[in-house]
Amino acid sequence: TQLLEQSPQFLSIQEGENLTVYCNSSSVFSSLQWYRQEPGEGPVLLVTVVTGGEVKKLKRLTFQFGDARKDSSLHITAAQPGDTGLYLCAGGVGLSFGAGTTVTVRA
Amino acid sequence: GAVVSQHPSWVICKSGTSVKIECRSLDFQATTMFWYRQFPKQSLMLMATSNEGSKATYEQGVEKDKFLINHASLTLSTLTVTSAHPEDSSFYICSARDGASGAGEQYFGPGTRLTVT
Repeated sequence: TQLLEQSPQFLSIQEGENLTVYCNSSSVFSSLQWYRQEPGEGPVLLVTVVTGGEVKKLKRLTFQFGDARKDSSLHITAAQPGDTGLYLCAGGVGLSFGAGTTVTVRA
Repeated sequence: GAVVSQHPSWVICKSGTSVKIECRSLDFQATTMFWYRQFPKQSLMLMATSNEGSKATYEQGVEKDKFLINHASLTLSTLTVTSAHPEDSSFYICSARDGASGAGEQYFGPGTRLTVT
């Protein structure tokens, strides 16, 4: 099983601030996915990164895949209360999930 | 986008009874479906991988005789929790892999909240 470590576990910030979530592994992944999950719902796919060094942008969210394809990061610019949720990185055939980062954006 | 549905969205059952949860891919064919369980404030834990027309592959520590998985078609997989006990209470989520996607993205259902009394 390929293990993914996410940090931080919890993040509480004020509206308008920036935040970064990290996803690290000792294993190489052919691709990594980022999901966002709200309470009582299933995870929703945000992005898939495939190429080492790749950077993808989704509005205020920027996703980066490490050159060695062992790590990834999610950066949110000018966070809004609607960004509140559990952010999960995942990879591998059976989708190993990181422990998740609970993000709370205060108005 | 790809849509996966689950039914029921929540269920309450008595200890000792069995509960069936359905997972359907609505607009794509899923040769592989996955079943996860999630406890409050925790991440998803893979229970089993289900391939259409073959037996499911269970993760270590998951009892295959207790969590019966059937993947009878390319759009439907079912999870049956047999002889449920209160410790089986959890949020069960399925996902389906879009066979046409080169990156192997998985799309998740909305989850089923199981409460065993």
